[in-house]
Amino acid sequence: AQTVTQSQPEMSVQEAETVTLSCTYDTSENNYYLFWYKQPPSRQMILVIRQEAYKQQNATENRFSVNFQKAAKSFSLKISDSQLGDTAMYFCAFLDGGATNKLIFGTGTLLAVQP
Amino acid sequence: DTGVSQNPRHKITKRGQNVTFRCDPISEHNRLYWYRQTLGQGPEFLTYFQNEAQLEKSRLLSDRFSAERPKGSFSTLEIQRTEQGDSAMYLCASSAAGASSYEQYFGPGTRLTVT
Repeated sequence: AQTVTQSQPEMSVQEAETVTLSCTYDTSENNYYLFWYKQPPSRQMILVIRQEAYKQQNATENRFSVNFQKAAKSFSLKISDSQLGDTAMYFCAFLDGGATNKLIFGTGTLLAVQP
Repeated sequence: DTGVSQNPRHKITKRGQNVTFRCDPISEHNRLYWYRQTLGQGPEFLTYFQNEAQLEKSRLLSDRFSAERPKGSFSTLEIQRTEQGDSAMYLCASSAAGASSYEQYFGPGTRLTVT
């Protein structure tokens, strides 16, 4: 069974600084997708960035980028120029390429951006 | 389209009562997912619909839980004889068919409190 591990329950960063959130996963599949979702306090889950396992190039979305290390089964999220609005719970998620496409989530990292 | 909507947003019920939640997916999305999120945890998959067919159910979905998507549009999740352990956030997500099926968009959730 696939598992997703986020070993940092909480992190803090100063506004305008850069922060990296860690995620590791375990799977025997070769075709899969990885995601970072953001869940602001009392607000809904938002997709931040995705990575297809077959792509070697790391995904980038504006200030958000990933470091995808397939052999190490590592998928970290880097947030550059942190903003107060980045304060949220961040979840790493795995989706296998099979028929159901259900997401398997980690336990999350609570990121606080300090002014 | 305003995204995935869920009603009610909050529900407080007494143990033993039945509750029903509704999810309206993004209109062109034929895939619909239910997840449950308890405090301090990532969401856990409950069940999946493709159009009106329920194609997968998690072992988390006990006999007291039933989900329907009668016309392939909105979905309902019913919990019978609620227990305190059912207290959680119930999240609905939807995705399109085809190449975009791996991107799931979440609703705001229904927070259930069983007293």
